[in-house]
Amino acid sequence: SQTIHQWPATLVQPVGSPLSLECTVEGTSNPNLYWYRQAAGRGLQLLFYSVGIGQISSEVPQNLSASRPQDRQFILSSKKLLLSDSGFYLCAWTPDRHSPLHFGNGTRLTVT
Amino acid sequence: AQKVTQAQTEISVVEKEDVTLDCVYETRDTTYYLFWYKQPPSGELVFLIRRNSFDEQNEISGRYSWNFQKSTSSFNFTITASQVVDSAVYFCALMQETSGSRLTFGEGTQLTVNP
Repeated sequence: SQTIHQWPATLVQPVGSPLSLECTVEGTSNPNLYWYRQAAGRGLQLLFYSVGIGQISSEVPQNLSASRPQDRQFILSSKKLLLSDSGFYLCAWTPDRHSPLHFGNGTRLTVT
Repeated sequence: AQKVTQAQTEISVVEKEDVTLDCVYETRDTTYYLFWYKQPPSGELVFLIRRNSFDEQNEISGRYSWNFQKSTSSFNFTITASQVVDSAVYFCALMQETSGSRLTFGEGTQLTVNP
């Protein structure tokens, strides 16, 4: 069966520090991968998605970036965090674009 | 453009009551997919149902039921005989055929079921 792993679960970082959140999927190949952010309210904002290695689509211009160095690995990064980057970050995968997304457990990021 | 509106920000009910969560969507595509997800306090998002635009049959799964009406662009979710464990934030989401892999979520409805 397929599983998705996301870490760390929680993270507290100072303003201006770098960020690296990692997400991996097991039990499938060539998944579509996503990064969503959930801010203080409840809405989920799509940040990035990838349909293959090295293919990244950015939805929101900001100081975050994403990379997909391997088929089942998706990384969210920042060179310098802002206070506004605080939130709950969720990685998700789907075998194809019409299937339901399956989410990881999320990373709660607090920028201080 | 695609948009999902969940007008109910918060709903509070007493256990065993029925409750309906509203979802209205906007899309120009004739082919699209609608989803409901549940987010319990622990944070993870749990997939509940997917519907494609050509299937307007209502669906029932245990205490959960969904009413899809293209005429009103609505995809409402009803929980019958609610339980405390149903307390969560519920999200409706839309994926258009032409939007690639983008899933657009509504703002969510916080459901609290009190004992």
